[in-house]
Amino acid sequence: DADVTQTPRNRITKTGKRIMLECSQTKGHDRMYWYRQDPGLGLRLIYYSFDVKDINKGEISDGYSVSRQAQAKFSLSLESAIPNQTALYFCATSDNRASSKNIQYFGAGTRLSVL
Amino acid sequence: QQQVKQSPQSLIVQKGGISIINCAYENTAFDYFPWYQQFPGKGPALLIAIRPDVSEKKEGRFTISFNKSAKQFSLHIMDSQPGDSATYFCAAIGGSNYKLTFGKGTLLTVNP
Repeated sequence: DADVTQTPRNRITKTGKRIMLECSQTKGHDRMYWYRQDPGLGLRLIYYSFDVKDINKGEISDGYSVSRQAQAKFSLSLESAIPNQTALYFCATSDNRASSKNIQYFGAGTRLSVL
Repeated sequence: QQQVKQSPQSLIVQKGGISIINCAYENTAFDYFPWYQQFPGKGPALLIAIRPDVSEKKEGRFTISFNKSAKQFSLHIMDSQPGDSATYFCAAIGGSNYKLTFGKGTLLTVNP
């Protein structure tokens, strides 16, 4: 079983719809992250959380919100989806111990298309 | 401001050749430099990483070379194989900054 699981793997939605992407992990890590990947732009950080109820904005948080109600779960919401949010979305986790060097472990991604 | 610059954007190598991907960073607070490998339809996965007090680290066919004074590091893939075809990201982590700062990625294609 995957350590970092994202659902759904693929989603097509329409402009204006609310959509939620889910991430769950069995690694026991405290830190969780949401990124989006676009061709030629690499990975950009949307939001991150260091603990339950801890929420922090990343580089590109506008148009997104997140929820961290449990250590193992971190969800990303698009309140009103727009076409330029079409991208590949990744969840990642990391250990908060200094020895781990904050290396992040990624899920398999969710491909989102907004029509 | 792009803190980690990666080149080339794409690279085509023949089977058995050497693939070289270069990265440069600006923030001297960075103190750990991982490389991630991403296959189509998969998330990035840690490939190899290096600390700045080490000039070279080798794991199998993959080697990181690190030049602290120049603030540059590179990934060398020896005897490149078609199965190495993937996107490679360099990254940097450092100081009190939790963030994993990524380069924009290099799409490597190894032809049979």
